[in-house]
Amino acid sequence: NAGVMQNPRHLVRRRGQEARLRCSPMKGHSHVYWYRQLPEEGLKFMVYLQKENIIDESGMPKERFSAEFPKEGPSILRIQQVVRGDSAAYFCASSPRLVGYTFGSGTRLTVV
Amino acid sequence: DQQVKQNSPSLSVQEGRISILNCDYTNSMFDYFLWYKKYPAEGPTFLISISSIKDKNEDGRFTVFLNKSAKHLSLHIVPSQPGDSAVYFCAASEDGGTSYGKLTFGQGTILTVHP
Repeated sequence: NAGVMQNPRHLVRRRGQEARLRCSPMKGHSHVYWYRQLPEEGLKFMVYLQKENIIDESGMPKERFSAEFPKEGPSILRIQQVVRGDSAAYFCASSPRLVGYTFGSGTRLTVV
Repeated sequence: DQQVKQNSPSLSVQEGRISILNCDYTNSMFDYFLWYKKYPAEGPTFLISISSIKDKNEDGRFTVFLNKSAKHLSLHIVPSQPGDSAVYFCAASEDGGTSYGKLTFGQGTILTVHP
């Protein structure tokens, strides 16, 4: 049973481009969470999704960021018009229930 | 507004000795606490958790202590091993076990265990 798969592992984007981060949850997991870790900081909650539904997006920046978890396929975190401050490690986690989830290895986004 | 704080950025310990990592929180609604371990270029890995109805939980070499009145928890690792060298994050959630699992993390403590 593969763990939570995130790709790409590393992503470099120029300012103004779009970044798409993908997360495939563990088999049987229907809850997905996205966290962001800025340099020298802890992980910060961004969004919680279940299949086809956004449950809590209280940690998402109001603009340029969006997330989805379609019925088929991975969860996608999308950042439009990236800026240098978006450079961070983005972690996805999945869970079969409400607490106790497994993290992926993360996507390291660098905006140049 | 840092609701979960790990005030020690780093800790260095000799192999075989005890490692004690500390965490303080301010939100009295937190009632479930977790410790995660993270190696470079990997995601956090769950270590141990504790509900607010307990003051201690033990799992092998790892013990977590919770002092609700002081809003303080600590992770004890005995004996420490070089493989324990990693970043340790304290995390907290509200309505533990019944919430949707949103976690608030501390900044992390880098533990180095010397052979």
